[in-house]
Amino acid sequence: DVKVTQSSRYLVKRTGEKVFLECVQDMDHENMFWYRQDPGLGLRLIYFSYDVKMKEKGDIPEGYSVSREKKERFSLILESASTNQTSMYLCASINPAGRMGEQYFGPGTRLTVT
Amino acid sequence: AQTVTQSQPEMSVQEAETVTLSCTYDTSENNYYLFWYKQPPSRQMILVIRQEAYKQQNATENRFSVNFQKAAKSFSLKISDSQLGDTAMYFCAFMNRPYGNKLVFGAGTILRVKS
Repeated sequence: DVKVTQSSRYLVKRTGEKVFLECVQDMDHENMFWYRQDPGLGLRLIYFSYDVKMKEKGDIPEGYSVSREKKERFSLILESASTNQTSMYLCASINPAGRMGEQYFGPGTRLTVT
Repeated sequence: AQTVTQSQPEMSVQEAETVTLSCTYDTSENNYYLFWYKQPPSRQMILVIRQEAYKQQNATENRFSVNFQKAAKSFSLKISDSQLGDTAMYFCAFMNRPYGNKLVFGAGTILRVKS
């Protein structure tokens, strides 16, 4: 089974802190994604990566950056956390050549910025 | 830009009965995929069912089936013989195949199965 793990289930940070959210997948997937999930808005794509060191902005990249130095790891960085970044963050990965379209999700990190 | 609309924020159903969740989408593309994902309380999101736009036959996975109406841009999920374990948030999602593997999600429908 594909496994996608995220470094923390719950995280509390202060406004202005730099925050790192880590995601690791164990199936050698090329594509990885970061979403944020908010009530009434569903999941919105922040950033995605097609391969190592390759990244593209999603629909809501402002205030975020990403890093992908190794294929299995995709990090989301909040350069200076703000209260409007309080949310659930979900990481996902996909094998483009695999069962078409199925993204595998991590358990999520619920981030609270105070 | 593609959009996905789920007009039912919450639904409930009695155990063993059938329920249908609605989803509409907007796109000018022809080559795309549609999905229903399930997010149980405090558990990971998993794929329930998938439909390829070029296939006319509606997808079925055990108790889960879809009603795909391409012209109407409608993609509803039917759950038969509902079970307590079906209680979850359900997301409808769209993937425009030529533009990579990115998903566009609806707002979600909370489904509660009552005993």
